[in-house]
Order: sequence, then structure tokens, then C-alpha cells
Amino acid sequence: GAGVSQTPSNKVTEKGKYVELRCDPISGHTALYWYRQSLGQGPEFLIYFQGTGAADDSGLPNDRFFAVRPEGSVSTLKIQRTERGDSAVYLCASSPNGGAGGYTFGSGTRLTVV
Amino acid sequence: QKEVEQNSGPLSVPEGAIASLNCTYSDRGSQSFFWYRQYSGKSPELIMSIYSNGDKEDGRFTAQLNKASQYVSLLIRDSQPSDSATYLCAAYSGGGADGLTFGKGTHLIIQP
Repeated sequence: GAGVSQTPSNKVTEKGKYVELRCDPISGHTALYWYRQSLGQGPEFLIYFQGTGAADDSGLPNDRFFAVRPEGSVSTLKIQRTERGDSAVYLCASSPNGGAGGYTFGSGTRLTVV
Repeated sequence: QKEVEQNSGPLSVPEGAIASLNCTYSDRGSQSFFWYRQYSGKSPELIMSIYSNGDKEDGRFTAQLNKASQYVSLLIRDSQPSDSATYLCAAYSGGGADGLTFGKGTHLIIQP
């Protein structure tokens, strides 16, 4: 597509529920990144995919968070047993050649856990 | 722990003046540096990148890099009210971790 697409744009869920956030990167971009941004903070790195594999998942806060990219294009970030502290904007970005050249962010998914 | 530090502001600048935004980074191995602009409620937008010491100009924007001092800056000339936003500084270190490390951002207000 023309840009990085994220769905849904907003998600409200109850504490303890499971959520999935979707990212469709720019066509042809092999590198895909998930970030989380809380109010008043900069984006915080979660995970990086190169193709289908997670090249770096060191930013995932705990084992409730998991992400996949089975065909090397669309990625899904999955959060189990959501907690109120998970409330944030989840940003996806893609790049044709890794992080060295910077990358393009999607519009984000605002997750609110109540 | 890689860190990027920015003054959160707000930084208030009169319209038409030069806005100067600063950033320091902790990882001496950082190779590339970026400035993103983020309007309230929107996602970050890449506006400048810089890879080597010195200045890089693009329109009203000038990025400056001093690797010896681990310092990056962004100058905005002829500031416009539409420049009012949060400016995020980011550093890329490469290696196994391909992500960018972001600062918390500086909130810039251009006063008409």
C-alpha cells in the first residue's frame, strides 16, 4: 500500500482480555517494527522483523506480548491478559533497508484497557 | 543502556524566529540520527536525517551533528505556527538491534 496501515485505530478492552493489533507495511518493505508510546514519552521499541523472522524482540516487556509476521508482510501484535498499564499508542513502522535510513510510521492503534 | 535525552519544554518561539532544538545521546556507536515531528494525536513523521558530522540543510530545517560531543540539534528558520509540534530525536546504533532509540521529545510552540 501507499503507507503503513494499522487497524484498529482505537481499541478499548477490559482488563484480562486478549487483543490483536494489525500492521500492514508499505509494499516491498522487508523490515517491520513495533513501538509503544505512552503519553508524554517517546516511542519505545518492542520488536523488529526482517522478513518473517523476529530479528530482535528484546523490547517486549514480558511474555504476555507476542508478535508474528508469517508471510513477511502483515504483522500482528498480540497481547494476552491485558493490564491497565498496557494502555498506550502502539505504532508500527516499516523500512526497505533496516533502521539505518529511518522509517515510516503508521497512524497507530490507541489501546485503552479499562 | 542506550539513551537519548531531550529537554521536554515547552519551548516557545515567536513566529519568524529561529527555533533551536537539542538532543544528546549516550551510545558512542550510534551511526545515524533522525528528527521526527509529531503533531498532537498523530504519529511521528520523519523530517530530517543526518549521518556525518556537520550541518545538513533541507529547506527551513538544518540538522547539526557533533559526534565528539554526542550532540544533535535541529534548527528551524522562519518558524511558522504550523511548526508547533513535538520534535523527537532518534539514534540508530545498528548491530543486532535494528531499532531506533527515541528521546521523549521537545514540545515546540510558535507564537503568532
